[in-house]
Amino acid sequence: EPEVTQTPSHQVTQMGQEVILRCVPISNHLYFYWYRQILGQKVEFLVSFYNNEISEKSEIFDDQFSVERPDGSNFTLKIRSTKLEDSAMYFCASSVQGARGEQYFGPGTRLTVT
Amino acid sequence: GESVGLHLPTLSVQEGDNSIINCAYSNSASDYFIWYKQESGKGPQFIIDIRSNMDKRQGQRVTVLLNKTVKHLSLQIAATQPGDSAVYFCAETGVFGAGTILRVKS
Repeated sequence: EPEVTQTPSHQVTQMGQEVILRCVPISNHLYFYWYRQILGQKVEFLVSFYNNEISEKSEIFDDQFSVERPDGSNFTLKIRSTKLEDSAMYFCASSVQGARGEQYFGPGTRLTVT
Repeated sequence: GESVGLHLPTLSVQEGDNSIINCAYSNSASDYFIWYKQESGKGPQFIIDIRSNMDKRQGQRVTVLLNKTVKHLSLQIAATQPGDSAVYFCAETGVFGAGTILRVKS
C-alpha cells in the first residue's frame, strides 16, 4: 500500500540554524500539506501546496518557513532560523482531492531545537 | 521553560463495549468533517469523514453523527478493541480539535 514517507525521523538542531524536513508524498496525489504537533498538543495546520504554489497557509507559517517541491517526488519544509518553540513533530500529508478529501499522513519528523 | 501540553479528555472503556467520542466545532459554515486516529509515535490516520449535507455516516465498526444545530460531531466505535486505543481528533477541513484519549481495558 502506498504511503507518505518522511526523513529524517528525528532532527536535532541548534537555535538559529536552518533545517529542511523532507517528505515523499504518495505518487498520484496532487495536494500536499505540512502540519506540526507540539508535544501533547493538537495537530496544527501550517500550509497546503498545489500546482507548485502555496494554496493556503496559517498564521504559524511566517517568513521563517518555506516549502518547495524541488522535483517530481519530494516536498520539503524549510525553517530558516529555528527557535526553541519550533520544537515539535512535523507531519507531511498528501491527498488526491483538496482539503475536502482523505489526507494521508507520514510518520512525522521530530524536530528538537536546543 | 518547557511548555505544558493540553490536558486531553480521556475515555476508558472495557473491551467489547461501544465507545462514543464527542467533538464540538465553532464555525457554522464548516461543511466537511473528518475523524482521525493517532497512535503513539505515528501520524494521524483517516477514519471516516462526513459532509454537512448528511447527519450520519457509517463505516466498518465506526459511525459518525453530525448535529449542525448544536455544532456537534460524534464518533461511535462498536465493539471496541485494544487496538482502538489512541488519541482521536475531529477536524473541520484541516483544523484539528484538541483530541480525546481512548483507553481500552482488556
